[in-house]
Amino acid sequence: TQLLEQSPQFLSIQEGENLTVYCNSSSVFSSLQWYRQEPGEGPVLLVTVVTGGEVKKLKRLTFQFGDARKDSSLHITAAQPGDTGLYLCAGARGKLIFGQGTELSVKP
Amino acid sequence: EAGVAQSPRYKIIEKRQSVAFWCNPISGHATLYWYQQILGQGPKLLIQFQNNGVVDDSQLPKDRFSAERLKGVDSTLKIQPAKLEDSAVYLCASSLGHMGSGETQYFGPGTRLLVL
Repeated sequence: TQLLEQSPQFLSIQEGENLTVYCNSSSVFSSLQWYRQEPGEGPVLLVTVVTGGEVKKLKRLTFQFGDARKDSSLHITAAQPGDTGLYLCAGARGKLIFGQGTELSVKP
Repeated sequence: EAGVAQSPRYKIIEKRQSVAFWCNPISGHATLYWYQQILGQGPKLLIQFQNNGVVDDSQLPKDRFSAERLKGVDSTLKIQPAKLEDSAVYLCASSLGHMGSGETQYFGPGTRLLVL
């Protein structure tokens, strides 16, 4: 069983559309991180959220940590082809536990 | 600043053969991690070193996998003998201190292993 469940697993959208990726768990995490991974490369950290209810913005990306620190969401506004990649959430419980990832494809 | 270096980038072997991967972390980073990422899944921690000591190897299949970080800098991960299900990307990451504090891990590009 996956400790962190991401949904959807695959997402194919047109340029300019909005999207939300979810990361859910029944466990509490001390912090939660979002990574983006491109083919042939390692994951690159986008953001770390620590406080329940916290919202962080990174240009067109908005990250939210659930009040109970068990879930998180990533919202992308006006997606661009450059946003294409694998988005991974990871919860910290002494070590990083990754979700299975969301494969995003943004078509021009 | 140089990132995490890994070699080789690709490796194809037959089952029951042995293979070794090398990682050079970012200079000054005390903590080094090896992850296994099977296609369609997120990375899974295999082993974590703090300097040259093992912090967590609970998910390392110790009957066939071994890792060392002798001088607290470079690390080697070995598989002997390899099985078909070991086909995956092996990622190395490093961080300044201990992950429990929620700090940033920096990942290398990974080694893609195919076991035939």
